[in-house]
Amino acid sequence: GENVEQHPSTLSVQEGDSAVIKCTYSDSASNYFPWYKQELGKGPQLIIDIRSNVGEKKDQRIAVTLNKTAKHFSLHITETQPEDSAVYFCAARGDIDSNYQLIWGAGTKLIIKP
Amino acid sequence: DGGITQSPKYLFRKEGQNVTLSCEQNLNHDAMYWYRQDPGQGLRLIYYSQIVNDFQKGDIAEGYSVSREKKESFPLTVTSAQKNPTAFYLCASSRGQPNTEAFFGQGTRLTVV
Repeated sequence: GENVEQHPSTLSVQEGDSAVIKCTYSDSASNYFPWYKQELGKGPQLIIDIRSNVGEKKDQRIAVTLNKTAKHFSLHITETQPEDSAVYFCAARGDIDSNYQLIWGAGTKLIIKP
Repeated sequence: DGGITQSPKYLFRKEGQNVTLSCEQNLNHDAMYWYRQDPGQGLRLIYYSQIVNDFQKGDIAEGYSVSREKKESFPLTVTSAQKNPTAFYLCASSRGQPNTEAFFGQGTRLTVV
């Protein structure tokens, strides 16, 4: 079945700098890769997603890149702001054998230093 | 407003007692999910349901039970058989098709006292 690894577990960056979080997956059949942001005491919210027929997707300060050959995808946040501080989760959609369930990374705690 | 609602936000339970967490959605989603989240860890799937009156075990179903009698409701019961029930519980829903977004509730924090 699918396995997703996420790095780093904690990332501290200066306000205004860029942050990059990386995930790798094991199942080459996976074709949907969302990123979620979870603020303290709340449920995760989708911030961006990418499908396997696309190599990159951008939404304002947030971008996701996908390398299908290497089976990894990354979240890029530019011009970081204090409100970007949160835990970020990547996920990969498994295949029919797993009933298309989302398989989650362990999360990255992003800290934006003022 | 459409969304997914979990209640209560905080719940305290004595050891040996069963407790039921509520999850309701008005998004007309077919699929619903329960996850458990422990401090500093990712999301672990407890149970999921892709259609009314049907559900499947996730990775950590032992000590939990669910029902799906209505499309909009998917309650989770934490039984006394669950050895370490203190955690943050998240309910989610989706259209149930492969490449669609999952929407999460705000979570229920369960503490065993």
